[in-house]
Amino acid sequence: GQQLNQSPQSMFIQEGEDVSMNCTSSSIFNTWLWYKQDPGEGPVLLIALYKAGELTSNGRLTAQFGITRKDSFLNISASIPSDVGIYFCAGQLFGGSNYKLTFGKGTLLTVNP
Amino acid sequence: EAGVTQFPSHSVIEKGQTVTLRCDPISGHDNLYWYRRVMGKEIKFLLHFVKESKQDESGMPNNRFLAERTGGTYSTLKVQPAELEDSGVYFCASSQRQGAYGYTFGSGTRLTVV
Repeated sequence: GQQLNQSPQSMFIQEGEDVSMNCTSSSIFNTWLWYKQDPGEGPVLLIALYKAGELTSNGRLTAQFGITRKDSFLNISASIPSDVGIYFCAGQLFGGSNYKLTFGKGTLLTVNP
Repeated sequence: EAGVTQFPSHSVIEKGQTVTLRCDPISGHDNLYWYRRVMGKEIKFLLHFVKESKQDESGMPNNRFLAERTGGTYSTLKVQPAELEDSGVYFCASSQRQGAYGYTFGSGTRLTVV
């Protein structure tokens, strides 16, 4: 089945620093998504990317859909303590009745105030 | 509007017992999805309902797992008999339209099989 390689597995940064994480896949996706999970909660959608090469921002977050459709990155600028959590990338390949998401293993982000 | 509700939030059972997880989707959402995250691994798709019909159950691990969605409202996921490797967090999500946009996840049920 499809697999996503997400890196890094974890990051420990100082408040105010920028963060970058990425996902790569051996197969293409039509859609790339980035989710954040806070402790005890479910994943919450941060950014959705629908077109190869697309660069999208949501506040301090910026994500790009790779031109090959096999990768994506997420940047967080000027991190703050509430950015702490697990960030997941997910790919989706529309086709027929297939709407399932394929997730990466997550990046655990810790922000030191 | 109320979000996706999952019950229980935690469950600890012994190997061989039966457990039933419940998911109440957002009202009016025809699409309901189950996912599972085993500790340290990726969140994996289990199955997808459209109303009461199973659209895709390709991710169900084996026949010890049974999902139902009677009447197209809430859904249950039963594990019988539970094994140690079934431990993990089970997430439910719902959407009005098919596709990722508008996918809302519940807080999950943490299942521990001892």
